[in-house]
Amino acid sequence: AQSVAQPEDQVNVAEGNPLTVKCTYSVSGNPYLFWYVQYPNRGLQFLLKYITGDNLVKGSYGFEAEFNKSQTSFHLKKPSALVSDSALYFCAVRDTGTYKYIFGTGTRLKVLA
Amino acid sequence: SAVISQKPSRDICQRGTSLTIQCQVDSQVTMMFWYRQQPGQSLTLIATANQGSEATYESGFVIDKFPISRPNLTFSTLTVSNMSPEDSSIYLCSVAPGGDSSYEQYFGPGTRLTVT
Repeated sequence: AQSVAQPEDQVNVAEGNPLTVKCTYSVSGNPYLFWYVQYPNRGLQFLLKYITGDNLVKGSYGFEAEFNKSQTSFHLKKPSALVSDSALYFCAVRDTGTYKYIFGTGTRLKVLA
Repeated sequence: SAVISQKPSRDICQRGTSLTIQCQVDSQVTMMFWYRQQPGQSLTLIATANQGSEATYESGFVIDKFPISRPNLTFSTLTVSNMSPEDSSIYLCSVAPGGDSSYEQYFGPGTRLTVT
């Protein structure tokens, strides 16, 4: 069965510092991986995806993610965190052959001023 | 991308009653999805709703409890029937506007349901 894991419930980082939100996956076949962000009282917003190609994927709001096949990871990164980046972040994998998403448990990012 | 609206944005309902949630998309899409996000938890897929066919429900969700309509390519409704406090959740609809070529889904703002 396909799955994703987000090992950290919460990540705290100082404004201006680099941030990393971790995600590992388990799939059969090629993974289709996604990151979404959820601000309070709002739906999920698509940040970026990895389907194929370059291991470093760039997305919205200055975020990027690195696909690492050997470590089965897809960590979300940003070189310089903003207070406005504080939100709930979800990693997801798309089930092979369908459109179904399997979501991780979410990581709450808190950027401290 | 796609712009998705949901009505109502939130509601407080009494147990035993039903609530119908509407999802409207600004473009025609084949596949729509309904998710539940319980407080402090991740998203769980309830069902996939394709226009012109019956909704496909995930394990643990049944049509009698969560009937879905999909009358056209821009609209869907999810009804939460005979509600209990355990149904208190955020309900989100999503679409995959690009089909197989884009893979990502776009989500509505959600409906926050509280059952008392």
